[in-house]
Amino acid sequence: SQTIHQWPATLVQPVGSPLSLECTVEGTSNPNLYWYRQAAGRGLQLLFYSVGIGQISSEVPQNLSASRPQDRQFILSSKKLLLSDSGFYLCAWSSDFTGELFFGEGSRLTVL
Amino acid sequence: KNEVEQSPQNLTAQEGEFITINCSYSVGISALHWLQQHPGGGIVSLFMLSSGKKKHGRLIATINIQEKHSSLHITASHPRDSAVYICAVDNNAGNMLTFGGGTRLMVKP
Repeated sequence: SQTIHQWPATLVQPVGSPLSLECTVEGTSNPNLYWYRQAAGRGLQLLFYSVGIGQISSEVPQNLSASRPQDRQFILSSKKLLLSDSGFYLCAWSSDFTGELFFGEGSRLTVL
Repeated sequence: KNEVEQSPQNLTAQEGEFITINCSYSVGISALHWLQQHPGGGIVSLFMLSSGKKKHGRLIATINIQEKHSSLHITASHPRDSAVYICAVDNNAGNMLTFGGGTRLMVKP
């Protein structure tokens, strides 16, 4: 069966520090991968999506970046965090065949 | 105007009540998703549908493509159903979804 994991679950970082959130998918190949952010009291916002290794599309201009070094690995990064980067980050994957969407457990980031 | 509108935004019900959450959208879609977000933040996909009706346990989802409307029903509601329910549409632009604002449901015992 397919599973998706992301970590860390909780992160408190000072302004200006770097960020790395990692997401891995098991039990499937060539998944579509997504990073979403949910600010406090707000809806889900698509940040990045990837349809294959090294293929990243950005939906929102910001100081975040994403990489897909392996087929089932998706990483969200920042060189210097801003206060506005605080939020709940969700990784997700979908299959081209079914279109169904599966979410990771989420990572709650607080930037102080 | 948002492309995906959910109503109500907040809903409080007594245990056992029948609950309906509505979702209207303004774009052509290939599929619609209903998601459940628990208080801890985790999101679970409940349904993905492109026509008709789907049922899973006490949950029923319907969609009317012509009217661009979907409903999520919960029968015999229970406090553990308390969560935020999110509607999201796939407008066939590469599996990217447009999300509704969510409906926060609280079921009281």
